[in-house]
Amino acid sequence: DVKVTQSSRYLVKRTGEKVFLECVQDMDHENMFWYRQDPGLGLRLIYFSYDVKMKEKGDIPEGYSVSREKKERFSLILESASTNQTSMYLCASSHLPTGMNTEAFFGQGTRLTVV
Amino acid sequence: AQSVTQLDSQVPVFEEAPVELRCNYSSSVSVYLFWYVQYPNQGLQLLLKYLSGSTLVKGINGFEAEFNKSQTSFHLRKPSVHISDTAEYFCAAQRGNAGNMLTFGGGTRLMVKP
Repeated sequence: DVKVTQSSRYLVKRTGEKVFLECVQDMDHENMFWYRQDPGLGLRLIYFSYDVKMKEKGDIPEGYSVSREKKERFSLILESASTNQTSMYLCASSHLPTGMNTEAFFGQGTRLTVV
Repeated sequence: AQSVTQLDSQVPVFEEAPVELRCNYSSSVSVYLFWYVQYPNQGLQLLLKYLSGSTLVKGINGFEAEFNKSQTSFHLRKPSVHISDTAEYFCAAQRGNAGNMLTFGGGTRLMVKP
């Protein structure tokens, strides 16, 4: 079974703190993604990475950065957490989209509350 | 850039009735198309996907979707829904060339009533 594991299900942080969300996948996937999910807005892509040390901005990268030092791990960093970053964060991974091997697998999500 | 639009934010339907959840995409290049489902308090799981070939795609739990290139649509259908189908459904598109970002629509909440 493919596994995408996010380090925490629930987090509460204070405004201004630096926050690290970790994601690990065990299927040797090239692609890894970070989304935030908010009611009525669906999943919005923050960043994605298609290889180690490679990253591309998604639709809403402001206030976030990412790190991919190893193929299996993709970290999302909130440099200075703000209340408008309170959300559900979802990590996903997939192979490069060639042929039938294209499905993205998701972690269970991290519900972050910034107070 | 590509975008995905789900035209209905909520769809209420009675049990055993048919349902269609609408999805339109915009892209200047060929795309792969997906429907994912999220049950309450759970992660997303794949319902079905269109990569190429037959435009009618069958997925899990009796769902199917039809790819219509001329209308840039990928609507999801089920002929008879169950209470257990109550969930949020997301349409997604991914480019097959360099970049291969996976972009989601805003989601449609399917509410099946007894």
